[in-house]
Amino acid sequence: SQTIHQWPATLVQPVGSPLSLECTVEGTSNPNLYWYRQAAGRGLQLLFYSIGIDQISSEVPQNLSASRPQDRQFILSSKKLLLSDSGFYLCAWISGGFNNEQFFGPGTRLTVL
Amino acid sequence: KQEVTQIPAALSVPEGENLVLNCSFTDSAIYNLQWFRQDPGKGLTSLLLIQSSQREQTSGRLNASLDKSSGRSTLYIAASQPGDSATYLCAVLHGSSNTGKLIFGQGTTLQVKP
Repeated sequence: SQTIHQWPATLVQPVGSPLSLECTVEGTSNPNLYWYRQAAGRGLQLLFYSIGIDQISSEVPQNLSASRPQDRQFILSSKKLLLSDSGFYLCAWISGGFNNEQFFGPGTRLTVL
Repeated sequence: KQEVTQIPAALSVPEGENLVLNCSFTDSAIYNLQWFRQDPGKGLTSLLLIQSSQREQTSGRLNASLDKSSGRSTLYIAASQPGDSATYLCAVLHGSSNTGKLIFGQGTTLQVKP
């Protein structure tokens, strides 16, 4: 069966520091991968999606970037964090085929101070 | 531009009641619609997936319906229990199935009182 992992679970970082969040998927190959952010009191916002290695699409202009160095690894990064980057970051993958059902990881809670 | 709206934003019911959560979307050109559950501080759990060609899906006490032409979906929860307390999100898969971008509603926070 497929599982999706996110690391770390929680993170507290000062403004201006770098960021690296990791997402890995097991039990599937060539998934579409997604990064979402859920800010307090707001809905889920799609940040990036990837249909393959080194193929990244950005949905909104921001202080963040994404990379996919391996088929089942998706990384969210920043060179200098802003206060507004605080939020709950969720990684997801899609099952493909006819279903296209999307499954989510456990999330990373990021607090920028 | 696809927009998804969920009503009500919050709902509190006594245990045992049957309830309906509503979801509406502005563009009927969807590939599918998914209902999720989110517990506080946790990720999203997929509850039901309805393809655009389907009208409903059932899983246990949950039943989701889809009326694509009117841009509406409902999630029916039968015989609610305190363990059903959570935020329920609906999302539509918009555009090409290959890119698979989900557009989410703001969610309905449900509290079921013992």
